[in-house]
Order: sequence, then structure tokens, then C-alpha cells
Amino acid sequence: SYEQTQPHSVSVALGQTARITCGGNNIGSKKVNWYKQKPGQAPVLVIYRDSSRPSGIPERFSGSNSGNTATLIISRAQAGDEADYYCQVWDSSTVVFGGGTKLTVL
Amino acid sequence: QITLKESGPTLVKPTQTLTLTCTFSGFSLSTSGVGVGWIRQPPGKALEWLALIYWNDDKRYSPSLKSRLTITKDTSKNQVVLTMTNMDPVDTATYYCAHRPPVDVFDIWGQGTMVTVSS
Repeated sequence: SYEQTQPHSVSVALGQTARITCGGNNIGSKKVNWYKQKPGQAPVLVIYRDSSRPSGIPERFSGSNSGNTATLIISRAQAGDEADYYCQVWDSSTVVFGGGTKLTVL
Repeated sequence: QITLKESGPTLVKPTQTLTLTCTFSGFSLSTSGVGVGWIRQPPGKALEWLALIYWNDDKRYSPSLKSRLTITKDTSKNQVVLTMTNMDPVDTATYYCAHRPPVDVFDIWGQGTMVTVSS
């Protein structure tokens, strides 16, 4: 079955750019979704189909996907961006989540 | 406005069968391309997809849990039901249902319901 690898944690200074990666075999051939989850809350979709933003998600959130790595990019990081982030793909009609990355804003 | 809400027991005993209901509003599960999925999250751990049912009654299951899961829908009641057999303490988790629009994404999630498996 397909697997995605995310770093356990990423740190970013306030106002700087955070990059959270999601690695997988030829993940560039799949569409990647990203979810943000704060403690005690349900996940929220922040990027879908690699780089599209749902309504209400700031332009500071963007995504890319090529080769074996998909990346969630958070520009001008704010304290409210501190959360767990999960990548997710569809593979052979099943759904696969990555292991999640804890983003810390310093 | 799409909303989903999970309901079911908060505590089940080992070997019992868990039945969870997702009651939704703001969309119809008879609309082409639409689906409802179930995802769980053990305390402090990652999200794990469980099952998905589509508008046309097509059903998909996690390969690792397929033998224990059944997903059904009642379009007239706007509900999706997930049953999981032979519950074990490792199944302790928050269980979420989520809306799948006509693209491969879960765009709206329920608040989740915590289920503890203990004797």
C-alpha cells in the first residue's frame, strides 16, 4: 500500500516561511491535499489538488507537488499557524494520510 | 452550509461491535460524485482513513481494516453508519466523518466523537 513520509516536526520563526514536505513514490503523479489540525479540533482543509486553496484560507498558504515530494508552504508564519499538518492522497481508490508534522512558530 | 455530526457510544467493551452514525445537512448523498468518509485518530497519533461511501452506493475500505468494517447510507435520513466489529483497546480513538465533494478531498469534517474501548 502507498505510504507518505512527513517530518515529525518543523520550526519556523514568526514572519518567516515554513515548508512542510510529504514524500512518496512518484507522489507528483497524484493529487495531494493538506489539512491543518489544532489540538482538540477537527482537521481543516487548507490546500487541495496540490495547490488550490479553499475559500477562507489565506493566500499565505500554498502548495507544490513534483517528483517524489509534495510541499506545503506557509508564508509570513503567524502564531495561529502552529498546528499539526497532514498530507493526504487517493491511491487505488483508497485514502492515505501521512503521519503528520507538528509546526512550531518561534 | 454543510455540517456533519458523529454520534455513538463513548465506551465499548473489547470484542463488542461499534456502531457510529454520521448525520449531515447541507448536501445530498444522492448527488453525483458526493461521498462521506470516516477517519479516526488515536490519542496523540495520526489520522487514519477507515471507509468511504459514494452517492451511487460504491463503498471503499481501508485494506488493513476491511474485514471489520461496514459502511451504509440512508439517503432519506441524511445519515451514514459505520460498524466496526471485534473492538480492541487499540481502537480507542476520535472518530470523524467528513464530506467528500465531487473531487478527491474531504472538505468539511464533523467535530468528531471519542470512543474508548475498555472492559
